[in-house]
Amino acid sequence: NAGVMQNPRHLVRRRGQEARLRCSPMKGHSHVYWYRQLPEEGLKFMVYLQKENIIDESGMPKERFSAEFPKEGPSILRIQQVVRGDSAAYFCASSTLGQGEQYFGPGTRLTVT
Amino acid sequence: QQQVKQSPQSLIVQKGGIPIINCAYENTAFDYFPWYQQFPGKGPALLIAIRPDVSEKKEGRFTISFNKSAKQFSLHIMDSQPGDSATYFCAASRVGQGAQKLVFGQGTRLTINP
Repeated sequence: NAGVMQNPRHLVRRRGQEARLRCSPMKGHSHVYWYRQLPEEGLKFMVYLQKENIIDESGMPKERFSAEFPKEGPSILRIQQVVRGDSAAYFCASSTLGQGEQYFGPGTRLTVT
Repeated sequence: QQQVKQSPQSLIVQKGGIPIINCAYENTAFDYFPWYQQFPGKGPALLIAIRPDVSEKKEGRFTISFNKSAKQFSLHIMDSQPGDSATYFCAASRVGQGAQKLVFGQGTRLTINP
């Protein structure tokens, strides 16, 4: 499967725990984007990364959220001390350099209890 | 100025009809306008996209019409089928300026009745 891969597909965390979401881009893609989708709403941009660099994090909450895309391995979106309001579907997308087309993964559905 | 407004919120069409979904934007720096299709529990799938140098683009049964002066674009689905029932999102970005984040509309839930 050459598509964008995300895991886990479903994640349940209790309030105060940490959530780690992983994204492997399509083969040949070096740009990764994270979006959040609240129930019955559209997708909201969170962060744009290239290998070892955060390019645009204008959509990331200032606290508790962080993202990385290391030289080796998947991109990670990390949410510390989760709260109920963090419950959402988190989607990763990838693209090639300079291209508008972004291809999305299946998402991780985070539920905070 | 970064918003993309999408309408209608929901749409019901008979099989074979032509649903039309509209989007409007404010930021004239946007230069790339894709449409995504999303089924429940799945990720958005890129359907078709247009750049502002053309007024129309067709791919199969899907057509984008683009009006640069009005800052509007729309998706038309020809010969619609029940399998087209999904949520559709328009989006916009500034690819040419390296700001590739997508700004999405609120989505349209489309139902095609048999």
